[in-house]
Order: sequence, then structure tokens, then C-alpha cells
Amino acid sequence: GEDVEQSLFLSVREGDSSVINCTYTDSSSTYLYWYKQEPGAGLQLLTYIFSNMDMKQDQRLTVLLNKKDKHLSLRIADTQTGDSAIYFCAESRSGGYNKLIFGAGTRLAVHP
Amino acid sequence: NAGVTQTPKFRVLKTGQSMTLLCAQDMNHEYMYWYRQDPGMGLRLIHYSVGEGTTAKGEVPDGYNVSRLKKQNFLLGLESAAPSQTSVYFCASRINFSNRAGELFFGEGSRLTVL
Repeated sequence: GEDVEQSLFLSVREGDSSVINCTYTDSSSTYLYWYKQEPGAGLQLLTYIFSNMDMKQDQRLTVLLNKKDKHLSLRIADTQTGDSAIYFCAESRSGGYNKLIFGAGTRLAVHP
Repeated sequence: NAGVTQTPKFRVLKTGQSMTLLCAQDMNHEYMYWYRQDPGMGLRLIHYSVGEGTTAKGEVPDGYNVSRLKKQNFLLGLESAAPSQTSVYFCASRINFSNRAGELFFGEGSRLTVL
């Protein structure tokens, strides 16, 4: 995931908002994704945004995309202990197989 | 609906041994992928397949081989395991067309340790 960068760790208090940031390098990426990985499990798609959008909201989740700066963020409102997981940012590259490039993942720890 | 199933889930090998990881999906997906996950490095693509009988190299293919003889199965082989291949391996699949563009469905992972 050398082309997609994320901070490795974030700690928040239960009930606060969490913001996880990601930078990517390929300006031709068509979709950008957030995947969630809970302990001992595979990754699950959390949300995604098309590259011609600036923002996408889905219940407690808000995704912001700044194409000029190649910056993507995921905001989780009213963070709960069940949100504790590793969050991966991923960008899709052009090509028939829609290859995804993943970041290293941000471990979110939610404490009381 | 089982989704994506990987076997085995855990394996310990000695250097030089060989083994095969099996991935099976029951969603009739065209595309299948093998990733490895290492601490601080995220997921890296080893090999992928866009259909039965076809395979291609990803970012880190050296030391691995794959086969896709049946649409539902994607096998990852290690001919001569090395300690550098100690990792968690994830299989994923995707339909070739979806309104949820690019969503990958992942297995639960296979943890491999090479001594």
C-alpha cells in the first residue's frame, strides 16, 4: 500500500466523533473505499465514494473527498465501542479488473 | 450463503515445505484475488484471476503460484516456503459488474507461519 497512506492509530472517547484520514496518489482513481476489519475477521466494505463526489453521508458515516489534495476522510459520529476495528482506505485503479490499492490501515480504539 | 471460505485457517510450516491454500466462493463471482496482510503494510495483492482458467500477477507474486481450474475455486500455492512468507492471507472475490462498484468480498483469512 505504498501509494495510499494512513495514520496507524487513533484513540477516541465513546460518544465523540472519529476522523480517519487517508491520502492517495493516483488522480485517475475512479472509486475510493473504506473497509473495516474486526479482530480475526476479513475486511468488509463500509462505504465508498465516486471520484466526482465531494461528500457522501450514510447514517453515522461521512466521507469527504478532496480531489485536488488527493485526500479522503472518514468521520464516524457518536463513536461506539463496537466501532473499534482497523479501517482501511483503498483506491481503485483503472483497468478491467478494478485493482484496489490498500493503505496500511488505521487502528481505531474507543475507550469509555 | 457461505460467501468466501478459506482453508486452512491456520498452518505452521518449516522452511522449504510446500502447501496450498484453498479459496472457495459460492456467489458466482468472476474475479478472485489473493492478498497478504503484514503489520504496518496493509494488504498487498499477490495474484488475481478474472475468470476460470486465467490468472495474473499482482504486486508481490514471487514465491507463489495460483490456479483457477473452476470458477468457484482459487488456489494459492507455496512451492518452497520461506520465513518471509509468514503472513495472514486473504482471499477475495468480486462480481464483474455491480452497482456497488468494486466491492470485494473477503474470506476470514489464513494465518501462515513459516519457521
